[in-house]
Amino acid sequence: KAGVTQTPRYLIKTRGQQVTLSCSPISGHRSVSWYQQTPGQGLQFLFEYFSETQRNKGNFPGRFSGRQFSNSRSEMNVSTLELGDSALYLCASSLYPLDTQYFGPGTRLTVL
Amino acid sequence: EDQVTQSPEALRLQEGESSSLNCSYTVSGLRGLFWYRQDPGKGPEFLFTLYSAGEEKEKERLKATLTKKESFLHITAPKPEDSATYLCAVRLIQGAQKLVFGQGTRLTINP
Repeated sequence: KAGVTQTPRYLIKTRGQQVTLSCSPISGHRSVSWYQQTPGQGLQFLFEYFSETQRNKGNFPGRFSGRQFSNSRSEMNVSTLELGDSALYLCASSLYPLDTQYFGPGTRLTVL
Repeated sequence: EDQVTQSPEALRLQEGESSSLNCSYTVSGLRGLFWYRQDPGKGPEFLFTLYSAGEEKEKERLKATLTKKESFLHITAPKPEDSATYLCAVRLIQGAQKLVFGQGTRLTINP
């Protein structure tokens, strides 16, 4: 069974731009969560989607948003990029919200 | 505030030298403790889930245990391929159903 896939794997943007990251969960998984990983803060929860509905949101500004489609694929968007948004963005999927989460390889975002 | 603390931050061992990694947590409610392994440039790889004090799980050279306030990841006779960052995470009962991660332990096994 294929794992979680994320596209693109690498991205370079400049301050003020916006970016959209994509995540395809493991086949059959309906829950998708997003995390931001930085050397200073470690892994931090962004939001969780299940059945196209956002169930929970972490402590991030409104510039960070996401959505989930009917096929469980998910996207996250970051508007008005700041230098501090440079990070590895990880997507994780699970069958249901309280099941074990399996992570994708991440998208490395660099903001210049 | 809910917190997960891992120690040590970094650990260097010789091949075959057994040791333990610690994950302590102060949370108002626990709905599972998870161990992940992360290699450089990759996403975390799931290892174990523990739900209640006294529970133990094993996989090859790894064994995870859980008490009311901490978890240990025991590594027996490690090999160089066990080198990675080991992450501990807890799922909370109250509030968001999210994983709260520790900062990780960077483990290096020298041949």
